[in-house]
Amino acid sequence: NAGVTQTPKFRILKIGQSMTLQCTQDMNHNYMYWYRQDPGMGLKLIYYSVGAGITDKGEVPNGYNVSRSTTEDFPLRLELAAPSQTSVYFCASSYSWGSNEQFFGPGTRLTVL
Amino acid sequence: KNEVEQSPQNLTAQEGEFITINCSYSVGISALHWLQQHPGGGIVSLFMLSSGKKKHGRLIATINIQEKHSSLHITASHPRDSAVYICAVDSNSGYALNFGKGTSLLVTP
Repeated sequence: NAGVTQTPKFRILKIGQSMTLQCTQDMNHNYMYWYRQDPGMGLKLIYYSVGAGITDKGEVPNGYNVSRSTTEDFPLRLELAAPSQTSVYFCASSYSWGSNEQFFGPGTRLTVL
Repeated sequence: KNEVEQSPQNLTAQEGEFITINCSYSVGISALHWLQQHPGGGIVSLFMLSSGKKKHGRLIATINIQEKHSSLHITASHPRDSAVYICAVDSNSGYALNFGKGTSLLVTP
């Protein structure tokens, strides 16, 4: 099992550009999450999904969109990138909400200049 | 104010030392997680606990629900233990994990 995979590992964007961060898991987990990690701060939840076709906003959703057309994939879309979106992005999955172990992807380091 | 507070923020220890990292939280929880983030950035789950104590190798995690406090202990520390250790709680009222800011541990030979 590959677990949770994310692409790309690194990306530099110009202000106003758009991109999609890819996330795939092969553990048949229903729950998937997108977090961002800023220096000196705890991970913040951007969006989450409880199953294919169901997504909801987390703590910091502004500037992002998600979709969940399959159990395996949970892409995160950045529209009109801003410097405030410079961060490390982690995708994670779990069998059920919160109280089960979360499995994290390797992260995507995004810089917006 | 963050609902999850970790101490210390940074910790340097010599190889072989006993290490304790603390986590305090202010809300009712159903579970507490300890995570390890390696220098390369990857995050792995170490423990999930809702009461008592768990042990895995040289790592021990304890939780006191009444005092809203958890500790992560590392016995006979080794340079490969150098990482950021993150505490996160699954609160009863929220819909997501609340993460502490992490404790950066450096173990020197």
